[in-house]
Amino acid sequence: GAGVSQSPSNKVTEKGKDVELRCDPISGHTALYWYRQSLGQGLEFLIYFQGNSAPDKSGLPSDRFSAERTGGSVSTLTIQRTQQEDSAVYLCASSLIPNQPQHFGDGTRLSIL
Amino acid sequence: GESVGLHLPTLSVQEGDNSIINCAYSNSASDYFIWYKQESGKGPQFIIDIRSNMDKRQGQRVTVLLNKTVKHLSLQIAATQPGDSAVYFCAEIDNDYKLSFGAGTTVTVRA
Repeated sequence: GAGVSQSPSNKVTEKGKDVELRCDPISGHTALYWYRQSLGQGLEFLIYFQGNSAPDKSGLPSDRFSAERTGGSVSTLTIQRTQQEDSAVYLCASSLIPNQPQHFGDGTRLSIL
Repeated sequence: GESVGLHLPTLSVQEGDNSIINCAYSNSASDYFIWYKQESGKGPQFIIDIRSNMDKRQGQRVTVLLNKTVKHLSLQIAATQPGDSAVYFCAEIDNDYKLSFGAGTTVTVRA
């Protein structure tokens, strides 16, 4: 498609389960970003990819969070042993190169019961 | 830490009037700013951007103004339409990639 695609759009899971979120960036975009947005809050940076490497993972909240990007395209964000505080909207964005407009997907709404 | 914030959490405007949404930023080293619009259940949608070597940029029905002296941004929307109802965020890019924005301004357009 023309925009950033994220799946699933909604995910409800029990505390302690693992979840995997997927992001398909705009074709040709070399930079990919994951953010988290909580209700009524601003944006929290999680991780940035340039190609397949992640120069900045500093925003990942704990070692339960990991992300990878393969083929310079699709990225997955994995949360292990989910906790209730992980409930949020997880947004993915991509840009042609860094320091260019970041275009967002519609996010994955994650709810931990 | 550094933060990007908005002056008012809500703005109500009459359809057809012009809207002005304000934003203050605190990182004087910031050189790239983006305005986003977010509708319920959707991701932030790019509206317009501006770099620090400019003080004004115009798009279709929108104008962004940057005042680096007082670290202030504004987004002006001309002839506001019902479809402009959304939450608006001003975003700051740090280190060429780390985007941040606050809680946003909710714009409601009255018919």
